[in-house]
Amino acid sequence: EAEVAQSPRYKITEKSQAVAFWCDPISGHATLYWYRQILGQGPELLVQFQDESVVDDSQLPKDRFSAERLKGVDSTLKIQPAELGDSAMYLCASSFRGRAYNEQFFGPGTRLTVL
Amino acid sequence: GQQLNQSPQSMFIQEGEDVSMNCTSSSIFNTWLWYKQEPGEGPVLLIALYKAGELTSNGRLTAQFGITRKDSFLNISASIPSDVGIYFCAVTPNAGNMLTFGGGTRLMVKP
Repeated sequence: EAEVAQSPRYKITEKSQAVAFWCDPISGHATLYWYRQILGQGPELLVQFQDESVVDDSQLPKDRFSAERLKGVDSTLKIQPAELGDSAMYLCASSFRGRAYNEQFFGPGTRLTVL
Repeated sequence: GQQLNQSPQSMFIQEGEDVSMNCTSSSIFNTWLWYKQEPGEGPVLLIALYKAGELTSNGRLTAQFGITRKDSFLNISASIPSDVGIYFCAVTPNAGNMLTFGGGTRLMVKP
């Protein structure tokens, strides 16, 4: 069964360091999303791509976060420099076009701990 | 901003019992989704609802899209230990927009 792949699954870093997360969506899914989930809360959208273009990055802290999807397939989310408050689960999701557009499928996430 | 209220926040039930949880909003939404998340994993889509009044089942799970388009409920019949997890409702106002998630209902099942 097709799945969204993410790596690494866990990342521990010190504050002020740079970190990067990778996501490979389900094959054929044009839309890719990055969410951040703080422990005990629901996920919150950071950025949405349609193919290689950013559709919505209004919630992305652009002073330290960046995201790219250069060829419209896999994507990278970067944080530089990391801060203590960035500790969270970072989830990637993808969806197909058409009526099923809203049915987003999530990867296993990357658990980030900033020390 | 948009806000979804899920209740109850947590439930501790006996195996075999039926479970009911709901999600309400002060705003109208055109799509309601229910996800389950287990510890250390990403949310898994359970049921998607697109039409007001729609009742949809997926095995032991049944969800309904409220007629006012401001609420939805999820029922689980004959709970089993593997039903343990956090259940999130999520909405989108229009096709293609971001998902907004509720705070979740944590379900614990005692064997």
